[in-house]
Amino acid sequence: KAGVTQTPRYLIKTRGQQVTLSCSPISGHRSVSWYQQTPGQGLQFLFEYFSETQRNKGNFPGRFSGRQFSNSRSEMNVSTLELGDSALYLCASTSFPGSQETQYFGPGTRLLVL
Amino acid sequence: SQQGEEDPQALSIQEGENATMNCSYKTSINNLQWYRQNSGRGLVHLILIRSNEREKHSGRLRVTLDTSKKSSSLLITASRAADTASYFCATDDNAGNMLTFGGGTRLMVKP
Repeated sequence: KAGVTQTPRYLIKTRGQQVTLSCSPISGHRSVSWYQQTPGQGLQFLFEYFSETQRNKGNFPGRFSGRQFSNSRSEMNVSTLELGDSALYLCASTSFPGSQETQYFGPGTRLLVL
Repeated sequence: SQQGEEDPQALSIQEGENATMNCSYKTSINNLQWYRQNSGRGLVHLILIRSNEREKHSGRLRVTLDTSKKSSSLLITASRAADTASYFCATDDNAGNMLTFGGGTRLMVKP
């Protein structure tokens, strides 16, 4: 079975721009979560989607948003980029929320904001 | 904010030696997972241990969980240079799939 895929893998943007990242979960998985990883803050939870609905949201400003499509693919968007948004953005999928199963992670999208 | 702390933050050993990493967390959990990350790439799942389990093995990996102390340890036996990576523990939040990660242990295995 193919793993979690994320596109693009690398991205360079300038302050004030917006960016959209994409995540395709493992086939059959319907829950997708997003995480941000930075050297200073480590790995932090952004949000989780299931059945096209946001179930949980981490402590991030409203500039960070996401959505999920009927095929379980998910996108996250960051508007008005700031230098501090430079990070590795990881998505993870699992079959359904509360399944207590393994969350499988994609390779990540590395975003650099100049 | 992070759920817990990992100890040590960095560990350097010789090939063939065992490596032990510890993780502490703050709230009650359903399960605890360990992940490996190579050079800022994606996270590779290593092992999941449920809150009602005390020990679990997978190949050269041994994980223990002590819910009374809110701590877990990951032991890698007979380490190899390819084990060089950062290792993270992650706990769920009882309400769903949100994972809270520790700060990670950077392991270097010298050939």
